Amino acid sequence: AQKITQTQPGMFVQEKEAVTLDCTYDTSDQSYGLFWYKQPSSGEMIFLIYQGSYDEQNATEGRYSLNFQKARKSANLVISASQLGDSAMYFCAMRSISSGTYKYIFGTGTRLKVLA
Amino acid sequence: GAVVSQHPSWVICKSGTSVKIECRSLDFQATTMFWYRQFPKQSLMLMATSNEGSKATYEQGVEKDKFLINHASLTLSTLTVTSAHPEDSSFYICSAATGTGGFRTNEKLFFGSGTQLSVL
Repeated sequence: AQKITQTQPGMFVQEKEAVTLDCTYDTSDQSYGLFWYKQPSSGEMIFLIYQGSYDEQNATEGRYSLNFQKARKSANLVISASQLGDSAMYFCAMRSISSGTYKYIFGTGTRLKVLA
Repeated sequence: GAVVSQHPSWVICKSGTSVKIECRSLDFQATTMFWYRQFPKQSLMLMATSNEGSKATYEQGVEKDKFLINHASLTLSTLTVTSAHPEDSSFYICSAATGTGGFRTNEKLFFGSGTQLSVL
């Protein structure tokens, strides 16, 4: 069964420090995509970064990087130089195919608090 | 990134009335749109997958007669909560997929800003 697991309900990080948010996934698909989204208190879901299962290099987008370890089925998000505005809920998601239909499934999220 | 517009942002309605939520992809065509429901401090729960020009595919446990989805064009999908009741109160959020979702695609999912529904 397709599944996304985020084991950290909450994380604290000091401003300007780096933080890693964990994500593991389970799928039998050969082709899949992994995503990270940020959800601030306003509720909107903000796309951060994407990693395709066939991408050989780890994805990077500004201060965000995705540590993709395919054999371990993990796709951790690394935020460098944390800022106060990074405080939010972070969701890991996977695009997979089920019964011929593409779906996006989400983990339970990690609430990040950046401390001044 | 691509822009998805969702409105209304919030709506309060009386029990028994119907509420329509619109989701538009503003700068791209979305063959597929997804509707999610989110309870406070919980993850997103997929309700249905909406494909342009065809019937929506509902997830197990989601009443299709209760939550009517119409995807009339490549840029618009609507969710109508029919005969709303207090238990339908929730945060509803739509998303639209860029690309076609094919093999080795770089398709990405972009979200609307969500609709907070409160049924009195």
